[in-house]
Amino acid sequence: QSQLVQSGAEVRKPGASVKVSCKASGYTFSNYGIGWVRQVPGQGLEWMGWISAYNGYAHYAQNFQGRVTLTTDTSTNTAYMEMRSLTSDDSAAYFCARGNGYNPALDIWGQGTLVLVSS
Amino acid sequence: QSVLTQPPSVSGAPGQRVTISCTGTNSNIGAGYDVHWYQKLPGTAPKILIYENTNRPSGVPDRFSGSKSGASASLAITGLQAEDEADYYCQSYDSSLSGFVVFGGGTKLTVV
Repeated sequence: QSQLVQSGAEVRKPGASVKVSCKASGYTFSNYGIGWVRQVPGQGLEWMGWISAYNGYAHYAQNFQGRVTLTTDTSTNTAYMEMRSLTSDDSAAYFCARGNGYNPALDIWGQGTLVLVSS
Repeated sequence: QSVLTQPPSVSGAPGQRVTISCTGTNSNIGAGYDVHWYQKLPGTAPKILIYENTNRPSGVPDRFSGSKSGASASLAITGLQAEDEADYYCQSYDSSLSGFVVFGGGTKLTVV
């Protein structure tokens, strides 16, 4: 069955970077895009951006533009989300999810990756 | 403050019907953009319940239904069950400078 498996929890110091992976299986990776969503503890879902696994085109939510980079590796069917200049406000669960289009219905989700930013 | 407005909480007794609203503006739902709905349980990933306003993915019980009118959308849950207790989020597209995909603030459903 189709699934997305994310990398494990990360701990970083303020100012550092983190790169989260999202490995797809059970479907043709290049036929879909991958969206990234985060949830800060006690808060709602927040859209980060989306990348096409077909051609690597990515667009970012305004709040993350310039600080987040989305990439894909079609040789390993893996998507990546890298965030730089981390602060404690970035401590959250980060999810990848499969979907297409400018308003993707996210039908397959990764299990989430906890990122803790602490000095 | 979310671009899409949802009630912070709703509640209902087992077997009852509840609705969760998602109110937008003429730059998102009111502009005709689709609405999707997700269920999120603590410690788990969101699960899609409704896509493109009214469509249910396979495996989602028909107790869940979606509708859309003007600048608002609604998720209805009938025959409420204890396992429905969760957070629910709507999603749409916004054409304003905030850009692209937006989520509602989420609604906590309590089955009393």
